[in-house]
Amino acid sequence: EIVLTQSPGTLSLSPGERATLSCRASQSVSSSYLAWYQQKPGQAPRLIIYGASSRVPGIPDRFSGSESGTDFTLTISRLEPEDFAVYYCQQYDSSHPALTFGGGTKVEIK
Amino acid sequence: QEQLVESGGGLVKPGGSLRVSCAASGFSFSDYYMSWVRQAPGKGLEWLSYISGDATTIYYADSVRGRFTISRDNARNSLFLQMTRLRAEDTAVYYCARTPVLLTVSLDHWGQGTLVTVSS
Repeated sequence: EIVLTQSPGTLSLSPGERATLSCRASQSVSSSYLAWYQQKPGQAPRLIIYGASSRVPGIPDRFSGSESGTDFTLTISRLEPEDFAVYYCQQYDSSHPALTFGGGTKVEIK
Repeated sequence: QEQLVESGGGLVKPGGSLRVSCAASGFSFSDYYMSWVRQAPGKGLEWLSYISGDATTIYYADSVRGRFTISRDNARNSLFLQMTRLRAEDTAVYYCARTPVLLTVSLDHWGQGTLVTVSS
């Protein structure tokens, strides 16, 4: 079973700053099967990035995703007030058909 | 536009059963895999199960296999999760989510969730 480890657990930043969120997989993950979600309090999660780096239509271009081996990164170039939320990465393992989520990173206002 | 609306949550005693439902609209329901995901209070997301559009492919997370059953009724654009032998640790908000599988496998539309509380 592939385990996704997100870090840091909490990121305290100010509006306008850059946020870099990490998601490390315990073994190889196809980039096609890596996604990122944003969840605000009291709301359902929202898909923002799929295929490791493809933005969902309507998601601002300040959000970007990248990968390097088993490390995946979500970057928010300049934080807007509405970006403060919890972010989860998710992968699909075709060899052991299942979706798994990382533990989440909370981006909070400093 | 695509919409998913869950229902059927509530309070159930340990060992009891409950069925939650998800009504879909705004897209061709039978063309899509669908998933159930839950979130315990103050915790992260846990994928539970998915089902193919024709219901021939079904997978479960280890944590619920043998206790939970996913099903769908394409004529009624509805998804179901039958939960049995419920435990306190099954207390969570249960979300249904559309699950595209062509180029990627992700959860691109979610319902608002329904709360299931397992307590005596």
